[in-house]
Amino acid sequence: DGGITQSPKYLFRKEGQNVTLSCEQNLNHDAMYWYRQDPGQGLRLIYYSQIVNDFQKGDIAEGYSVSREKKESFPLTVTSAQKNPTAFYLCASSTGLAGTYEKEQYFGPGTRLTVT
Amino acid sequence: DAKTTQPTSMDCAEGRAANLPCNHSTISGNEYVYWYRQIHSQGPQYIIHGLKNNETNEMASLIITEDRKSSTLILPHATLRDTAVYYCIVRVAGTSGTYKYIFGTGTRLKVLA
Repeated sequence: DGGITQSPKYLFRKEGQNVTLSCEQNLNHDAMYWYRQDPGQGLRLIYYSQIVNDFQKGDIAEGYSVSREKKESFPLTVTSAQKNPTAFYLCASSTGLAGTYEKEQYFGPGTRLTVT
Repeated sequence: DAKTTQPTSMDCAEGRAANLPCNHSTISGNEYVYWYRQIHSQGPQYIIHGLKNNETNEMASLIITEDRKSSTLILPHATLRDTAVYYCIVRVAGTSGTYKYIFGTGTRLKVLA
């Protein structure tokens, strides 16, 4: 089945440690996105990538880093510089090609990160 | 970037139509309006999208005003499984020919038995 996978579903880390969240898609989509969601809030864009080896900062990129070495993968690293890392993290993908008709973003199941 | 404004919460009786409004008064001419919904602790699910014309699919209808400053999502016969948070989203151009989606805080719809 085609789709987006995020693992693990729950992740626990100690404060001061970097942690990397995985996101893999087999939809052959060009664009991938990372969002953060806090309790009772909407989604906020962290980073997004149109093509391999290229990515752009979203609205809340500070304290996060990404890479896009493969079309299928867009891992997110939550660094120790992120002041409030505990949140629900969602990855999404879309065809994303500029100038083309795009139907929708496909979302993964999310990773709930807890930092203590 | 265009922003959306939605009511925080709404109730709807089961079997009735649910009409969810969204204001996007700063939208630009080539920016699409999308609707997604999110059931607790899951990834958002696509519902429908449009640019200027009204749209309908198997899930819902989207009514966009002529000036494009607002839209309404209509669930024609709401069921208990439609209880979720509904997001009205504008897709805007990012840098280097990319697109990004601007999420608002959503409307929490509760369908009552």
